[in-house]
Amino acid sequence: EADIYQTPRYLVIGTGKKITLECSQTMGHDKMYWYQQDPGMELHLIHYSYGVNSTEKGDLSSESTVSRIRTEHFPLTLESARPSHTSQYLCASSELGREQPQHFGDGTRLSIL
Amino acid sequence: GNSVTQMEGPVTLSEEAFLTINCTYTATGYPSLFWYVQYPGEGLQLLLKATKADDKGSNKGFEATYRKETTSFHLEKGSVQVSDSAVYFCALMSGGGSEKLVFGKGMKLTVNP
Repeated sequence: EADIYQTPRYLVIGTGKKITLECSQTMGHDKMYWYQQDPGMELHLIHYSYGVNSTEKGDLSSESTVSRIRTEHFPLTLESARPSHTSQYLCASSELGREQPQHFGDGTRLSIL
Repeated sequence: GNSVTQMEGPVTLSEEAFLTINCTYTATGYPSLFWYVQYPGEGLQLLLKATKADDKGSNKGFEATYRKETTSFHLEKGSVQVSDSAVYFCALMSGGGSEKLVFGKGMKLTVNP
């Protein structure tokens, strides 16, 4: 019943390439998030957005950038990929309010050679 | 600041065993509390939530009660199944504008037949 979609699911690519990870949601949620999940499972918030034209950096510093031109779309870009960017990236969205749960996509597993 | 401390595991149980995953939190104000589950190769799914003291969240045989006096939100299930094998995350969200989820580090559960 996923209403939030991430593409690609897997990406193996060489160092120095520009990468864009796509995230789209059909629920009309104002808030969207990007998390980086390390092999030890811990989740780190790297970017979030409160709505169109709003982007904020998260708790973990990241060389990636994000944009929010449309409510439903929140892509993440790496201008020049490095092996240290190898990780799983999870996108999520939610309605406003502290009681509202976040809905997650299935993630993109990124490997930089 | 806000934080969540949960059992980290990994934990291995036999089918039909009783499960408890401890979770305690530190937060200002009155946070909402969540348990998320991540099955292999997928993103996180909301398992249950509670938004005020003494609320009990329940889903799929799992239960957790919001205990303000002990700042805890322990997850329990009376009889686990092989299909419950997953990673479990405790999380909180405070209001006041930030509305960011704070996650525990996750606990991997394996249930053997």
